[in-house]
Amino acid sequence: DQQVKQNSPSLSVQEGRISILNCDYTNSMFDYFLWYKKYPAEGPTFLISISSIKDKNEDGRFTVFLNKSAKHLSLHIVPSQPGDSAVYFCAAMGGAGSYQLTFGKGTKLSVIP
Amino acid sequence: NAGVTQTPKFRVLKTGQSMTLLCAQDMNHEYMYWYRQDPGMGLRLIHYSVGEGTTAKGEVPDGYNVSRLKKQNFLLGLESAAPSQTSVYFCASSYGASFRDEQFFGPGTRLTVL
Repeated sequence: DQQVKQNSPSLSVQEGRISILNCDYTNSMFDYFLWYKKYPAEGPTFLISISSIKDKNEDGRFTVFLNKSAKHLSLHIVPSQPGDSAVYFCAAMGGAGSYQLTFGKGTKLSVIP
Repeated sequence: NAGVTQTPKFRVLKTGQSMTLLCAQDMNHEYMYWYRQDPGMGLRLIHYSVGEGTTAKGEVPDGYNVSRLKKQNFLLGLESAAPSQTSVYFCASSYGASFRDEQFFGPGTRLTVL
């Protein structure tokens, strides 16, 4: 059973507009959430994270929102740029002593110039 | 600073053959990880190591063995390859195990088992 779900395999957005990538989780023991970005033929790179004690974390154009009661998080990219075109993975870790990352399937974002 | 490097980048094996994937990091990280990514799937943890000489099983360890004889290297072995092991393999490393310790990933090894 998938514990981290990214239900949209792909998303297309016009340059300059907002991109919103969604992620749902089922394991209530998760207490830390991360977003990774992956370009073709490269390994994933860390983008932004959020602890379960917060509901928002911002880093430049990237903001992650966490709704703990709904077990839902989202990544907002504003404004979207063509260089943001990549696969975005949502990941979670949690539980005392558990530092293993559980990844979603990823969402492929295409930013159209 | 090369970061995390993986050797080889591509490999084709026949069923039953064996091979070893090498991961090296130059960041003096204690923790190292092996993941696999299948089409349309997220990364899944195969094995990990919390320090030199230690290894532990992840989510999908069957059919793989690992060794961490030196702090900077983490080897992933397939003793008898099967088509189900066709995948892209990623190695990662981190300084520690808390949520503050970013995992740095290598570029991946694309393995095909015929």
